[in-house]
Amino acid sequence: GAGVSQSPRYKVAKRGQDVALRCDPISGHVSLFWYQQALGQGPEFLTYFQNEAQLDKSGLPSDRFFAERPEGSVSTLKIQRTQQEDSAVYLCASSLFRTGLYNEQFFGPGTRLTVL
Amino acid sequence: AQSVSQHNHHVILSEAASLELGCNYSYGGTVNLFWYVQYPGQHLQLLLKYFSGDPLVKGIKGFEAEFIKSKFSFNLRKPSVQWSDTAEYFCAVNRGATNKLIFGTGTLLAVQP
Repeated sequence: GAGVSQSPRYKVAKRGQDVALRCDPISGHVSLFWYQQALGQGPEFLTYFQNEAQLDKSGLPSDRFFAERPEGSVSTLKIQRTQQEDSAVYLCASSLFRTGLYNEQFFGPGTRLTVL
Repeated sequence: AQSVSQHNHHVILSEAASLELGCNYSYGGTVNLFWYVQYPGQHLQLLLKYFSGDPLVKGIKGFEAEFIKSKFSFNLRKPSVQWSDTAEYFCAVNRGATNKLIFGTGTLLAVQP
């Protein structure tokens, strides 16, 4: 596609529910990132994929957060037993190269998750 | 802790005023530096980037930024702002080995017509 797409754009969940957020990166992009943006803050890194391999998950806040990219394209971020503090915008970004310099990230529109 | 700092959280300017938004980072060694912009209701877009070479980089819509290594700064400037520049601006650093972006907290710019 022309850009990174994410779905749903908005998600309301009751506390304790599981949610799944989808990211479709730019076609051919090797790297995929998930970020969490709380209200009034800058995005914070959650996890990084190089193709289907999850190489960095240091930013995932708890074991309730799980991400996958099984075929190296579409990625899903899953949050189990959602809590109110999980309310945020979840951003996906992709980039063409694996690692190193000159690696520009392109962002999707985000999914706004509200946990009641 | 390693971080990216944006000192101005809210800036209000009149059209045609000059803009400078501060950004400082606390990483040593080689860094890639970025400014992203988020217009109301839209997603993050890259405004400009510094990888190497000329420390004065020019971006879209008349924005520029200057990388001053000795000051660990990457300030964003625009000589004359327009109402359409109303947006939130984020400075970010990418350490090459890790690839992830470390963002500042953002600066909300409101330009009054």
